[in-house]
Amino acid sequence: EPEVTQTPSHQVTQMGQEVILRCVPISNHLYFYWYRQILGQKVEFLVSFYNNEISEKSEIFDDQFSVERPDGSNFTLKIRSTKLEDSAMYFCASRGDRQETQYFGPGTRLLVL
Amino acid sequence: AQSVTQLDSHVSVSEGTPVLLRCNYSSSYSPSLFWYVQHPNKGLQLLLKYTSAATLVKGINGFEAEFKKSETSFHLTKPSAHMSDAAEYFCVVSGGSYIPTFGRGTSLIVHP
Repeated sequence: EPEVTQTPSHQVTQMGQEVILRCVPISNHLYFYWYRQILGQKVEFLVSFYNNEISEKSEIFDDQFSVERPDGSNFTLKIRSTKLEDSAMYFCASRGDRQETQYFGPGTRLLVL
Repeated sequence: AQSVTQLDSHVSVSEGTPVLLRCNYSSSYSPSLFWYVQHPNKGLQLLLKYTSAATLVKGINGFEAEFKKSETSFHLTKPSAHMSDAAEYFCVVSGGSYIPTFGRGTSLIVHP
């Protein structure tokens, strides 16, 4: 069964450094999403992406964040200058056209020191 | 607007006994409702979903949920808990924009 994959599974970085989290959505899906889950808290929506542009974003998704689909398969989340409070699990998800169900990747655990 | 309330942060059961994880929602649209499970250090796995078809929805691993519009509830049940069911469970509502709103999660603890 096709699945969403994410790399790396874990990343440790220093405050102020840039990180890029990578996702490979399910191949025929058109809608892509990033979420984060701070330890002990609920999953929060960050951004949705369709047709090579952001369709919706939350207030969390400020100028430090950007998303890109650099080729036909990858979907990336970049954090330009990481802060301690960016430490979280980041989930990528994708869904097909006219489908409600989003399929989630296994997540990247980001730790900012 | 939409919201989800998972009424219990933790539920503790003995192996072989029934499981009930409660979820109430609100939505301005006819909602789609989902339950996801997250095992430790794993991603989110879809257990089941309701998308305006049958109100009793069967999912994987013996779980099921019933959509009750009058009660705005979508509680998750399983007749007999297994040790492998120990995990975090998230109730999720999705409305017109397809941006889902997650509940805070319920941690299911299964005792031998």
